[in-house]
Amino acid sequence: SQQGEEDPQALSIQEGENATMNCSYKTSINNLQWYRQNSGRGLVHLILIRSNEREKHSGRLRVTLDTSKKSSSLLITASRAADTASYFCATDALFGNEKLTFGTGTRLTIIP
Amino acid sequence: NAGVTQTPKFQVLKTGQSMTLQCAQDMNHEYMSWYRQDPGMGLRLIHYSVGAGITDQGEVPNGYNVSRSTTEDFPLRLLSAAPSQTSVYFCASSYGGLLNTEAFFGQGTRLTVV
Repeated sequence: SQQGEEDPQALSIQEGENATMNCSYKTSINNLQWYRQNSGRGLVHLILIRSNEREKHSGRLRVTLDTSKKSSSLLITASRAADTASYFCATDALFGNEKLTFGTGTRLTIIP
Repeated sequence: NAGVTQTPKFQVLKTGQSMTLQCAQDMNHEYMSWYRQDPGMGLRLIHYSVGAGITDQGEVPNGYNVSRSTTEDFPLRLLSAAPSQTSVYFCASSYGGLLNTEAFFGQGTRLTVV
């Protein structure tokens, strides 16, 4: 079964706006990661946040983690057409032998 | 730096045929894994390996075999292809260890079983 569930499943915004997507997971984790997948391509790692961290930034990306609610959010600021992609959260469960479990993804479309 | 290389990129099989999907990485990563991606279902873990000579099952292992004779290579074998195995397959690798779980992915193999 999926560990993570992203919300919303699909999101369309105008270029320049901010995009927020959320991830919920079921069990205690070591780390939570976000990945991007362009159509027909492999996944690319964006950012990793550890279970003892609450917020992390990387360029236009901001990730938050709330372990009490078992949820995370990914904010992309000042969106660009090139941000059009699917975004997945992935967790490695505490005592889970490093296995990454992925959510079902959010399909983000940036309208020029 | 090639990263993670998967071959072939596309493959059509007849039901009952067998084949091997190849995966190689040149980053000296200990941890390697295979996922399948189906519409609306994200990525599901098939098999993984924490080092040469060590493999274990993931979430959906039935119908697939793996081996890890070297650090670099982690082939996935379909024993007797079925239409339900039509999917996009991704190989991934990482340094390993709980502090280094960032995964590097190959470009995928799109498999169709008819």
